Amino acid sequence: EAGVTQFPSHSVIEKGQTVTLRCDPISGHDNLYWYRRVMGKEIKFLLHFVKESKQDESGMPNNRFLAERTGGTYSTLKVQPAELEDSGVYFCASSQEGWFGSPLHFGNGTRLTVT
Amino acid sequence: EDQVTQSPEALRLQEGESSSLNCSYTVSGLRGLFWYRQDPGKGPEFLFTLYSAGEEKEKERLKATLTKKESFLHITAPKPEDSATYLCAVQRPGNTPLVFGKGTRLSVIA
Repeated sequence: EAGVTQFPSHSVIEKGQTVTLRCDPISGHDNLYWYRRVMGKEIKFLLHFVKESKQDESGMPNNRFLAERTGGTYSTLKVQPAELEDSGVYFCASSQEGWFGSPLHFGNGTRLTVT
Repeated sequence: EDQVTQSPEALRLQEGESSSLNCSYTVSGLRGLFWYRQDPGKGPEFLFTLYSAGEEKEKERLKATLTKKESFLHITAPKPEDSATYLCAVQRPGNTPLVFGKGTRLSVIA
């Protein structure tokens, strides 16, 4: 079984630019989550999709972040315009069942550096 | 506000030297406590879920236990391949997000 795949693995952009991160979940997993780890801090929840619908986006920091999930398959997270404090590692995770208690399968993350 | 505090931040052990990692939590009702392992450059990998005080789970050299205020991850006779960051996370009742601690970086020296 292929795992959760994230692209790119690293991205370095300048403040004010736009970046789009992509996540391909495990095939058949309806639930897709985005998390972020800022340096020195804990991993924090951003949002949760069930198929193509946003179930919970309470962790999204502000309206510069836009997440989509096309046809309930892959997801993208766009940051526009990027700010310095957006730097960190962005993780995507997926699961089969509909609640957080089921094991989350994480991708290897996208390391975003905003200069 | 839910909080998860892990200690120590870093732990260095000799191969075969058993020890425990601590996860203290404050949460309005606990639905589940989770342990993950994270290797450098990788995403977290699920280890255990604990649901109620007194529960224990084991996997190879790892054993996780849970009380009403904290969880321990016991590592028995560790090997260098056990070196990783171990993350603890809690979930409140309802379909709520996991709240993670900062993790403990474990290094096992041969």
